[in-house]
Amino acid sequence: GAGVSQSPSNKVTEKGKDVELRCDPISGHTALYWYRQSLGQGLEFLIYFQGNSAPDKSGLPSDRFSAERTGGSVSTLTIQRTQQEDSAVYLCASSLWTWGEQFFGPGTRLTVL
Amino acid sequence: GQSLEQPSEVTAVEGAIVQINCTYQTSGFYGLSWYQQHDGGAPTFLSYNALDGLEETGRFSSFLSRSDSYGYLLLQELQMKDSASYFCAVPDSGGYNKLIFGAGTRLAVHP
Repeated sequence: GAGVSQSPSNKVTEKGKDVELRCDPISGHTALYWYRQSLGQGLEFLIYFQGNSAPDKSGLPSDRFSAERTGGSVSTLTIQRTQQEDSAVYLCASSLWTWGEQFFGPGTRLTVL
Repeated sequence: GQSLEQPSEVTAVEGAIVQINCTYQTSGFYGLSWYQQHDGGAPTFLSYNALDGLEETGRFSSFLSRSDSYGYLLLQELQMKDSASYFCAVPDSGGYNKLIFGAGTRLAVHP
């Protein structure tokens, strides 16, 4: 079956522009997570969706970051007025249950010039 | 809050055995997970320990001691392809709604 997919795989943008990153989780997975990973660093939690519950946004670094999940499936992470420090790989993961095995997508590498 | 500590780097030779330790501090505990990530790749799940003891899956084993708030990942018969970063993770004891990852241990396997 299909795994978690993310698009685009690479995104180069100019400082100040808005970007949208997309995640298609594994069908049937109710939990969806967004992480950020800078080069050689660990996984920084950003936001978590579980079913129809209110998302856990506690990891979003600023109000320039937002995410939504439509129909309990596809999720979009939006970064407004991008800054150079936003450059990183953005990873999406989904799981069947809250802290079960997470299946990660290939990530979107964001470069802000 | 919660925290996890693991060594930043470990080096070993092909065919050897290596142990990657993880200590955690959490007010509630619901299991320790391990993930592997190759350079440029996505993390992949390796193991999950909810109870004390050793779980073996092929060349990889994972151990947990809840009384010591400690676990480790044991890799045997090391191969070059095992060169990767390894992350331990525990559920967020506050909301139980996400995993908290350690900073990762970079394993370099040499011939």
